[in-house]
Amino acid sequence: GQNIDQPTEMTATEGAIVQINCTYQTSGFNGLFWYQQHAGEAPTFLSYNVLDGLEEKGRFSSFLSRSKGYSYLLLKELQMKDSASYLCAGMDSNYQLIWGAGTKLIIKP
Amino acid sequence: GAVVSQHPSRVICKSGTSVKIECRSLDFQATTMFWYRQFPKQSLMLMATSNEGSKATYEQGVEKDKFLINHASLTLSTLTVTSAHPEDSSFYICSASTGQGAPGTEAFFGQGTRLTVV
Repeated sequence: GQNIDQPTEMTATEGAIVQINCTYQTSGFNGLFWYQQHAGEAPTFLSYNVLDGLEEKGRFSSFLSRSKGYSYLLLKELQMKDSASYLCAGMDSNYQLIWGAGTKLIIKP
Repeated sequence: GAVVSQHPSRVICKSGTSVKIECRSLDFQATTMFWYRQFPKQSLMLMATSNEGSKATYEQGVEKDKFLINHASLTLSTLTVTSAHPEDSSFYICSASTGQGAPGTEAFFGQGTRLTVV
């Protein structure tokens, strides 16, 4: 079956760095997405990885290892506004997104 | 980035009535749109995939006669919740792919619709 696993909740301190991990099992693979979702709002696209390695985009970076079925989202210089849920989603061979349950990130001053 | 507009953002309706939710891609043509449902503290659940000019493809367990989807043009898809009941209360979100690069490499979301059935 298809499955996306990520931690339910994480806590970090303002200004610090946090890494949110995601493991995936999909029928075929056409990439791994990360989305940010604030409470009561729709998700916002953060990153897309289809090749192994690290993609850096400002304070956010995303890493993919296809052989391990593993990805992480790295957030640097955390700000209070980064408090949100972070959704990991894998795209299968039919280009359907398989969603994880999301990781709620709590930022403390 | 691409803009997807969803309307209304909030709606309260009486049990037994129908509600229509619109999803528009404002600056690109979306041959495929997706409709999701999200319960509190849960991830998105794909309800159906809507292709312009053809019937929507529904996920297992989603009643196609209850959740009517129409994709009349390349920029508009609608979801109608028919004979709504309190258990249909949820957050409904649409998304559309720009189609740039590999198919479905980016899905842009509408703002979501909070439906409350009383």
